[in-house]
Amino acid sequence: EIVLTQSPDTLSLSPGERATLSCRASQRIASDYIAWFQQKSGQAPRVLIYGAFTRAAGVPDKFSGSGSDTEFTLTISRLVPEDSAVYYCQQYSNSLPWTFGQGTKVDI
Amino acid sequence: QVQLQESGPGLVKPSQTLALTCTVSGGSHNSGGYSWNWVRQFPGKGLEWIGYIFDSENVYYSPSLKSRVSMSVDTSKNEFSLRLTSLTAADTAVYYCARANLLPQSRHFDVWGQGLLVTVSS
Repeated sequence: EIVLTQSPDTLSLSPGERATLSCRASQRIASDYIAWFQQKSGQAPRVLIYGAFTRAAGVPDKFSGSGSDTEFTLTISRLVPEDSAVYYCQQYSNSLPWTFGQGTKVDI
Repeated sequence: QVQLQESGPGLVKPSQTLALTCTVSGGSHNSGGYSWNWVRQFPGKGLEWIGYIFDSENVYYSPSLKSRVSMSVDTSKNEFSLRLTSLTAADTAVYYCARANLLPQSRHFDVWGQGLLVTVSS
């Protein structure tokens, strides 16, 4: 099973700043099969990024993904209070089971 | 626009079996090209993928739950279901159904249900 470790656990930033969230995999993720989700309180997760760097439909360009192999990053620029949420990475490679990171809480 | 909706009991006693259903609206779950998944979220917020089904012969269960879980589809009702046996308090979670494309490069969870809180308690 591929273990995903996210860092930091919590990120406290001010409006207008940029957030950098990390996701490290215990094994190489072939073909960059990594997705990033945003989850606000009381809501289901919402996909932001898939394929490590492709924004999902309707996701603003302030969200960007990067990385490869075992190190992946979600960057959120121009932070606003509405970006406060928990962010999860998830791998959907051919190595089952699919797994999630433990999440990073972003407070604006 | 495809929507998913979970239904089932919110409270189940220990040792009993949980049966949940996910109803697909705005499209057919049998339209092909997708897997239909169950994901749960524990009170501490961690997410766990339970498994998927995309037809009655193609099912995958997470090894950690394989001995207790089964999934099925009902084409006529546009529904797919989850059964989880021998429940304990550790199974208390919000249960989500979610859709994923079968194409590997698009195999992320793109549509989610709103989630159903299931509490295991006597």
